[in-house]
Amino acid sequence: NAGVTQTPKFRVLKTGQSMTLLCAQDMNHEYMYWYRQDPGMGLRLIHYSVGEGTTAKGEVPDGYNVSRLKKQNFLLGLESAAPSQTSVYFCASRGTAFEKLFFGSGTQLSVL
Amino acid sequence: AQSVTQLDSHVSVSEGTPVLLRCNYSSSYSPSLFWYVQHPNKGLQLLLKYTSAATLVKGINGFEAEFKKSETSFHLTKPSAHMSDAAEYFCVVSSYGGATNKLIFGTGTLLAVQP
Repeated sequence: NAGVTQTPKFRVLKTGQSMTLLCAQDMNHEYMYWYRQDPGMGLRLIHYSVGEGTTAKGEVPDGYNVSRLKKQNFLLGLESAAPSQTSVYFCASRGTAFEKLFFGSGTQLSVL
Repeated sequence: AQSVTQLDSHVSVSEGTPVLLRCNYSSSYSPSLFWYVQHPNKGLQLLLKYTSAATLVKGINGFEAEFKKSETSFHLTKPSAHMSDAAEYFCVVSSYGGATNKLIFGTGTLLAVQP
């Protein structure tokens, strides 16, 4: 049982480049989330999805887009990367127990 | 609005001594509170949860937390630290409303355990 898988694990971008982070879960969870983690700021919610075909904005959505075309996948896109988006990104999913999030191992992104 | 404040960004203890990680919360109604743990280079893992049942909550790896409404606190404790407890700990409160419940994370407390 793989749980929540994020790819890639590391990435370095130049300012203005685009990229997509992929999150896949094999637990048949309806809810999926993208967080960013920055030193001294905890985790902040970027976007989330309550089911296939739906997405919603979180706390810090600017500069990011998401898609949930398939229930098991939640994609996070950066159309034009900025240095302020240097962070560690975590994907999470959950079933009916709203407090128990299952996290991926993170993507470390550096934007130069 | 719901929020949590973790009072210490870093805590250092010696192996075998007690651990206390402090968390205060703010909520306009009876909250659900949680502690998550993040080991180095790993995702977060649920440690324990309080959802208005018993005020003393036991979690994994010998950790427990006590909900104190009068003090708006939810401190995490462990009687005797182990080297494997070194990690970052997040206090979390649930935020109700809209289409889904969301979790609001504190800024984290990094626990170091000295031999």
